[in-house]
Amino acid sequence: GNSVTQMEGPVTLSEEAFLTINCTYTATGYPSLFWYVQYPGEGLQLLLKATKADDKGSNKGFEATYRKETTSFHLEKGSVQVSDSAVYFCALSDRAGGTSYGKLTFGQGTILTVHP
Amino acid sequence: DAGVIQSPRHEVTEMGQEVTLRCKPISGHDYLFWYRQTMMRGLELLIYFNNNVPIDDSGMPEDRFSAKMPNASFSTLKIQPSEPRDSAVYFCASKGGQLAELSYEQYFGPGTRLTVT
Repeated sequence: GNSVTQMEGPVTLSEEAFLTINCTYTATGYPSLFWYVQYPGEGLQLLLKATKADDKGSNKGFEATYRKETTSFHLEKGSVQVSDSAVYFCALSDRAGGTSYGKLTFGQGTILTVHP
Repeated sequence: DAGVIQSPRHEVTEMGQEVTLRCKPISGHDYLFWYRQTMMRGLELLIYFNNNVPIDDSGMPEDRFSAKMPNASFSTLKIQPSEPRDSAVYFCASKGGQLAELSYEQYFGPGTRLTVT
């Protein structure tokens, strides 16, 4: 079956530091990959996505590249801000077919805290 | 668009009572998902629907939980009877539309925080 593994948190950084949150996956097919972000007291929001190998998703200064050879989709940001403090979820979705079509498989989430 | 709407936002109830959570998906979306989030277990998919039909309910924890989608604009998740271990944040999400088929993006509601005492 499908699974997603994220680096264990929580992660605590100072403002303007470099961020990496590792994500690796196992999938039976050729999935689409996502990063979702959850701010305190809110639901999850899509941060970025990639649908095929070597695609780079980017948004709000965050980037992640779909690496099929290493089955990874690591999230990076060059300079974090206090407002980036949130929980980050890596996820994958089967592209078509089977009972899991349309369903997202999430990682366990990584709590990020950024201090001024 | 107003996004996915969930009600109530907070629910406090006593053990043994029936609880009903409600969700209105984004208009035009044909998939609807119910999730549960706790510190211990993280984010769990409970059940999802396609065109109002339940597709996969393997995540529903036990018979006390039931979900319905009587039409394309409304779904309920019911817990009867409720227990303290059901305390969690319950999210509804929807997906659909021609462009979304390529990316499988789900849009989440703000969640219902359930506390069972």
